[in-house]
Amino acid sequence: DTEVTQTPKHLVMGMTNKKSLKCEQHMGHRAMYWYKQKAKKPPELMFVYSYEKLSINESVPSRFSPECPNSSLLNLHLHALQPEDSALYLCASSQVSGRGARTEAFFGQGTRLTVV
Amino acid sequence: AQRVTQPEKLLSVFKGAPVELKCNYSYSGSPELFWYVQYSRQRLQLLLRHISRESIKGFTADLNKGETSFHLKKPFAQEEDSAMYYCALNTYGNKLVFGAGTILRVKS
Repeated sequence: DTEVTQTPKHLVMGMTNKKSLKCEQHMGHRAMYWYKQKAKKPPELMFVYSYEKLSINESVPSRFSPECPNSSLLNLHLHALQPEDSALYLCASSQVSGRGARTEAFFGQGTRLTVV
Repeated sequence: AQRVTQPEKLLSVFKGAPVELKCNYSYSGSPELFWYVQYSRQRLQLLLRHISRESIKGFTADLNKGETSFHLKKPFAQEEDSAMYYCALNTYGNKLVFGAGTILRVKS
């Protein structure tokens, strides 16, 4: 299984709502990522988890709260978002960087989020 | 700080013509470089990694540390190569960052 699965595919939420994005992989990868991608722009790194611990936070606002409950799952909890947070949210996974590791990232299809 | 620069937003070529998508990087350590491709309505997927020095779908890319470049090349473009191409840099700690991307359009 070389897939990263994200749910839901589409999400519309109000600015006062709380919702969560989910990501799952069964490739034994111990690095997992969240990216945000606006239309016609490259993926922008938000968070990296390494061995289920948050290792990189790219100064993301606290209304985005990541969670890695185990080595296969990654969540992104959303609360009090703004319309400008509307974007495609991508999850990815890879091996952890190190000698000989194949660190290419595998991406999910993304969750298309609209904040109204 | 690490940075990836792809100077061309759009590259338009005729079928059968050679293709070169440019990528330059900035990183003081030992870089790992990748090319990712995103076909219409498909997920982002790996095309090439610099370490493996392989040819995928006729594409090759060579890391030039002196020029800090990792340009993607193909001798004869095909219509099915039309897509968005991203150059990406991975550094220690799995910080994987992307260039702005280049749209490749292959005309018949």
